[in-house]
Amino acid sequence: GQQVMQIPQYQHVQEGEDFTTYCNSSTTLSNIQWYKQRPGGHPVFLIQLVKSGEVKKQKRLTFQFGEAKKNSSLHITATQTTDVGTYFCAGVSSNTGKLIFGQGTTLQVKP
Amino acid sequence: GAVVSQHPSRVICKSGTSVKIECRSLDFQATTMFWYRQFPKQSLMLMATSNEGSKATYEQGVEKDKFLINHASLTLSTLTVTSAHPEDSSFYICSAAQGLATYGYTFGSGTRLTVV
Repeated sequence: GQQVMQIPQYQHVQEGEDFTTYCNSSTTLSNIQWYKQRPGGHPVFLIQLVKSGEVKKQKRLTFQFGEAKKNSSLHITATQTTDVGTYFCAGVSSNTGKLIFGQGTTLQVKP
Repeated sequence: GAVVSQHPSRVICKSGTSVKIECRSLDFQATTMFWYRQFPKQSLMLMATSNEGSKATYEQGVEKDKFLINHASLTLSTLTVTSAHPEDSSFYICSAAQGLATYGYTFGSGTRLTVV
């Protein structure tokens, strides 16, 4: 079945350092979404990417969708302690329309 | 924006009993809702797709008779964990979509189920 792989699983950074998480799908995606989940909370929608090669920015966050629509990345510039949480990519299969989550990357930021 | 309400947030039940979890779309109609399960420090695993007015579609490996899904209206889907066992203890989350490009999938706040 369709798989969405995400790396790294964990990342510890010093406040002010940059952070990147990568997402790869075994199949072509119609779109990819990114979510943030704080400890004890539920996933909160961040953004959706639809077009091949698309790049979107939200303040210090930069999201990219690969040309082949099978990979994506989230880059955070100059991390802050408020960035702590688990970031999930979730791909929508072109075939099934289902939203399949990657394993998530848990970010810890040392002040 | 789209809001999904999920209840209860926490439930503790005895082995062998059944637990019902409700998921409501508060300000929009959802013909389709999704049920996920999340183990500690793991990702969300899609369990089933709940379709209003028809049978749910279950993912491979999910027992239909154990996890009963009912989507009786455009704003309510329920998940009933029947004859619960300790291994069913988990975080269950529902989601629905309204205006995907803007809101993505909106998730309920989740239900922490503990079976003792």
